[in-house]
Amino acid sequence: AQKVTQAQTEISVVEKEDVTLDCVYETRDTTYYLFWYKQPPSGELVFLIRRNSFDEQNEISGRYSWNFQKSTSSFNFTITASQVVDSAVYFCALSERVNNNDMRFGAGTRLTVKP
Amino acid sequence: EPEVTQTPSHQVTQMGQEVILRCVPISNHLYFYWYRQILGQKVEFLVSFYNNEISEKSEIFDDQFSVERPDGSNFTLKIRSTKLEDSAMYFCASSGTPPLNTGELFFGEGSRLTVL
Repeated sequence: AQKVTQAQTEISVVEKEDVTLDCVYETRDTTYYLFWYKQPPSGELVFLIRRNSFDEQNEISGRYSWNFQKSTSSFNFTITASQVVDSAVYFCALSERVNNNDMRFGAGTRLTVKP
Repeated sequence: EPEVTQTPSHQVTQMGQEVILRCVPISNHLYFYWYRQILGQKVEFLVSFYNNEISEKSEIFDDQFSVERPDGSNFTLKIRSTKLEDSAMYFCASSGTPPLNTGELFFGEGSRLTVL
């Protein structure tokens, strides 16, 4: 079965610092899908990105960027110039199916951005 | 923007009581899910549902749990006899199918269950 490890339980940074959240995954499949979700204090889960295993191209969306490295089974998430509103728990997740009905989450990393 | 809605937002119940959590998935979605998150812990998969039947379930989803799509819009999670350890936030999610499927699971805002 697939497994997702987010070794950083909590990270605290000061506003405007860059921060990288680590995600390491395990799967036996050659086709799989990786996700990042944000859970703000209000509790909902907000989709950030989905990446399939055939697309190792890094992605940038505003202050967010993702570094997918199949060689190290990692899918790290970087926030540039962090803001207080970025404070949340961030979950990395993995699915081995195209319809993603088997998605498994990592334990999450709590990011606190201080003013 | 279409969204997944869940009711109730918070339910308090006594141990041993039955609880039904309700979800209205996005209307053209065909895959439905329940996840739970014990306070401060990871989001855990419970069950996925497609074509009016369970397509996958985790080891957490034992005989005390059941899901149902009683009509064309609702998707429910029933816990027959709640235990203290069932206290958690329960998230419903839905997703479309290819080619509409962007891969995103759309989550509801969660139903917090407190078992006393």
